[in-house]
Amino acid sequence: DTEVTQTPKHLVMGMTNKKSLKCEQHMGHRAMYWYKQKAKKPPELMFVYSYEKLSINESVPSRFSPECPNSSLLNLHLHALQPEDSALYLCASSQVLAVNNEQFFGPGTRLTVL
Amino acid sequence: AQSVAQPEDQVNVAEGNPLTVKCTYSVSGNPYLFWYVQYPNRGLQFLLKYITGDNLVKGSYGFEAEFNKSQTSFHLKKPSALVSDSALYFCAVRDLFNAGNMLTFGGGTRLMVKP
Repeated sequence: DTEVTQTPKHLVMGMTNKKSLKCEQHMGHRAMYWYKQKAKKPPELMFVYSYEKLSINESVPSRFSPECPNSSLLNLHLHALQPEDSALYLCASSQVLAVNNEQFFGPGTRLTVL
Repeated sequence: AQSVAQPEDQVNVAEGNPLTVKCTYSVSGNPYLFWYVQYPNRGLQFLLKYITGDNLVKGSYGFEAEFNKSQTSFHLKKPSALVSDSALYFCAVRDLFNAGNMLTFGGGTRLMVKP
C-alpha cells in the first residue's frame, strides 16, 4: 500500500464548530506532516511529527491542534476557525525525517469555514 | 536560508512537443531537489528527486530533470508532452544545513498542453 488517505474529502464548518481531519498511511513511514494550501499557491508547512512526537510547529495558531495517536494515524483538530482558514489541507508522510526522503501526499481535505 | 524560484507562472506547449519547466534554487550546503505535480483538486504527487550522482535524473511518466550546479538550476523536462501532463508543477529543495531540513517549495508553474 503506497497511499496516504485523508478524510473527509470536503468539510464545511462554522466558526464555532469543532471538527477533525484524519490522515492514515500504511507504508511504515515514521514522519508525518500537515500542510495548508491556498488556491494556486504552494503548500505551507504546519506541523511535523517524527516517531509520533511533534517535531516542528511552524507557529500555527492554537485553533489548530495536531495529534498523532500511532505511527499510522495523524489527526488535525479544528476549533473556532476563521474564514481565512479555508484552504486545502494536505497530509504527507515520509520514511523518516531525513533530507533525502521524498514525501508522499494525500489527496487533501477541502475546508470551508463560514 | 534556502529558496526556490520558478520564474514562469504558466508554460504553454503543443502536444507532442518537448516541454521544460524551469527551477532555480539557493541553499547554504548541498541541495536535495524534488519535483512534484498536482492535478486539480488533488494532493501532490512525487515525480523525481536529485540527491547526488548523475546530473540527469529520470522520474515518473517520462519526466526527467537536469541538475546544473553552476547555474543552480533543476529544470524539469519531457521529450514529448501529453495533454494529460497539464497540471501544476512544484519544484522543492531541502538543505542539510537548514534548520528542520524541511521542504521549501517554489511558487508553482501551471503547464498547459494543447492538442
